Amino acid sequence: RKEVEQDPGPFNVPEGATVAFNCTYSNSASQSFFWYRQDCRKEPKLLMSVYSSGNEDGRFTAQLNRASQYISLLIRDSKLSDSATYLCVVRPPKASYDKVIFGPGTSLSVIP
Amino acid sequence: DVKVTQSSRYLVKRTGEKVFLECVQDMDHENMFWYRQDPGLGLRLIYFSYDVKMKEKGDIPEGYSVSREKKERFSLILESASTNQTSMYLCASSSPWGGRETQYFGPGTRLLVL
Repeated sequence: RKEVEQDPGPFNVPEGATVAFNCTYSNSASQSFFWYRQDCRKEPKLLMSVYSSGNEDGRFTAQLNRASQYISLLIRDSKLSDSATYLCVVRPPKASYDKVIFGPGTSLSVIP
Repeated sequence: DVKVTQSSRYLVKRTGEKVFLECVQDMDHENMFWYRQDPGLGLRLIYFSYDVKMKEKGDIPEGYSVSREKKERFSLILESASTNQTSMYLCASSSPWGGRETQYFGPGTRLLVL
C-alpha cells in the first residue's frame, strides 16, 4: 500500500458546484497534514494546513479523520480558477527536517 | 515573499553527460530539498539538506548526488545522465521555525535526456 493515496481523477465539475477530494495515508502516527495546489506546468504551492478540528479558508474546508486515516478537501462554489491538481501532503512520524510525503495528486477541471 | 529560483527551466542533455541543476533561495531557510515529478508517481524526494554541507538521502537517490556549500544554494548533480532521468525536477526550501513547515518550491527544471 502506498503511503499517501489519492484518486487521480480527473474531476470535471461545472462552475458553482461543490467538489470533495479524499486522501488516505497508511501510517496512523503521521503528524501533520497539508493540501498543496499545483497549476498546470507550475510549481506546487501550499493551499492550507489541515488541523485536527478541521479548518476553513473561504470556500475551502479541510477535514482530518484520524480514525479512518484520511483527510479531505471540500471546495464550494467552484470557480474556473480552481482548475488545478490538488496534492495531499503528510508528514510521517519521526520525520526529520520537514520531510514530507506527497500524494500523486487529484486533477480538477472546472467547466464553464 | 519567499523566492526559490532554479538555474534552468528547460534542459536537453545527452546520455552520459554530467548535469548540474542549481537552486537558490533568498529566505535564509535551513532545509532544502530536491524532488522529481513524473506523471502518475507524484513528487519523489531525491535528497535533502538541513544545513550547509549536510545532506540526507531521500527515497530515490540512486544516480544523483548533491552539494550544499552555502546556505542559500543547493545543487543536484546527475553524474552520468540516463534516459530514465528525463523528468521535471523541483527544488524546495523550508524553515523549521514558526511551526508551519511549509515548503516553498522553485519553478522547476524540465530535463530531457536523449
